[in-house]
Formats: sequence, C-alpha cells, structure tokens
Amino acid sequence: RKEVEQDPGPFNVPEGATVAFNCTYSNSASQSFFWYRQDCRKEPKLLMSVYSSGNEDGRFTAQLNRASQYISLLIRDSKLSDSATYLCVVRGNYGQNFVFGPGTRLSVLP
Amino acid sequence: NAGVTQTPKFQVLKTGQSMTLQCAQDMNHNSMYWYRQDPGMGLRLIYYSASEGTTDKGEVPNGYNVSRLNKREFSLRLESAAPSQTSVYFCASSELWESNEKLFFGSGTQLSVL
Repeated sequence: RKEVEQDPGPFNVPEGATVAFNCTYSNSASQSFFWYRQDCRKEPKLLMSVYSSGNEDGRFTAQLNRASQYISLLIRDSKLSDSATYLCVVRGNYGQNFVFGPGTRLSVLP
Repeated sequence: NAGVTQTPKFQVLKTGQSMTLQCAQDMNHNSMYWYRQDPGMGLRLIYYSASEGTTDKGEVPNGYNVSRLNKREFSLRLESAAPSQTSVYFCASSELWESNEKLFFGSGTQLSVL
C-alpha cells in the first residue's frame, strides 16, 4: 500500500462548480500535512498547509481527520485557472521527509 | 531572489553516459532534496541532505550519487544512465526545523535516456 493515496482523477468540472479531493495516509505518526499545486510541466508549489482544526484560504478549504488518517481539499466556485494537479503531502516529525501522493488532476471547463 | 536554481532544464543521454544535475539555493536552507517524477507515481525521493556535510538515501537511490558541496549546492550524478532513469527531476530545499515548513522547488530537469 502506498504511504499517501489520492483520488485517481482526472476531475473535469464546469466553471463555478465545487470540487473535493480526498487523500489518505498510512503512517499514523505523521505530523504535518499539505496540499501542493502543480501546473503542467512546472514545479510543485505550496497551496496550503492543513491544520487539525481545518483551515480556509479564500475559495479553498482543507480538513484533517487524524483518527481516519484522511485529508481533504475543497475548492468552491472553480475558476479556469484552478486547472492543475493537486498533490497531497505528508510529513512525520520535524526532521523527517515529505511524502507525496500521486496527485489528482483537475480540469475546469468553460 | 532566485530561490532554487536547477540546471540543465533538458538533457538527452545515451545509455551508459554520465551526467551531473546541478542545484543551488539562496535561502540559507539547511535541507536539500532530489526527487524524480514519473507519470502516475508522484514525486519520489532519491536522496536528501538534512544539513551541510550529510546525505542520506531516499526511496529510489539506486543508480544515483549526490554531493552536498556546501550549504548552497546539492548535485545529483548519474554515473551510467539507463532508460529507466528517464524522468523529470526536481531539486528542492526547506528549513526543516521551522514550525511551518515549506518545500521550495527548482523548475525541473527533463531527462531522456535513449
């Protein structure tokens, strides 16, 4: 089993739609959680960190359920510019490495 | 503010050739990483360096060597390239001990081994 798993995708949604991505992780000792965004043929960039209490950044909401070892990302009012691959990233305690999920590709259609 | 600079951007090698991918960061980060990205596999860690003078194997180190030349630079060497090493390579850096740690990536190297 992969350490970090994500919805296989791709997700094709119309502009204005709400879309949710799911991620599960196998290492119960994981401490830090992130969503990265990667545009085609570009490097990944941090979208947002994910905190236990859940956090929101504009149209983006991230949730963490430690008991279920599950992370989610919700995008409201999708824009064409949201089209990208979304990577779930997990890390253990400070000093340990980042582990990436395979990514879920999103295409927002006009 | 360059961030993480990675060269070359593209490279084509023949099987058995060698090459070195260069990476430098100007953010004074202690930790540096080399990842490879293949379709459907996500980013997989090849080697990392938690601090100057140390290097450790990641998930897929076979066929690669690294050198942490100084705090700024971390190079990846393919001694005898194989077609299985065709991939996109990313260098990254982070400050490992920050409470809100973040990975900064270079722009990637597209490597084809024929």
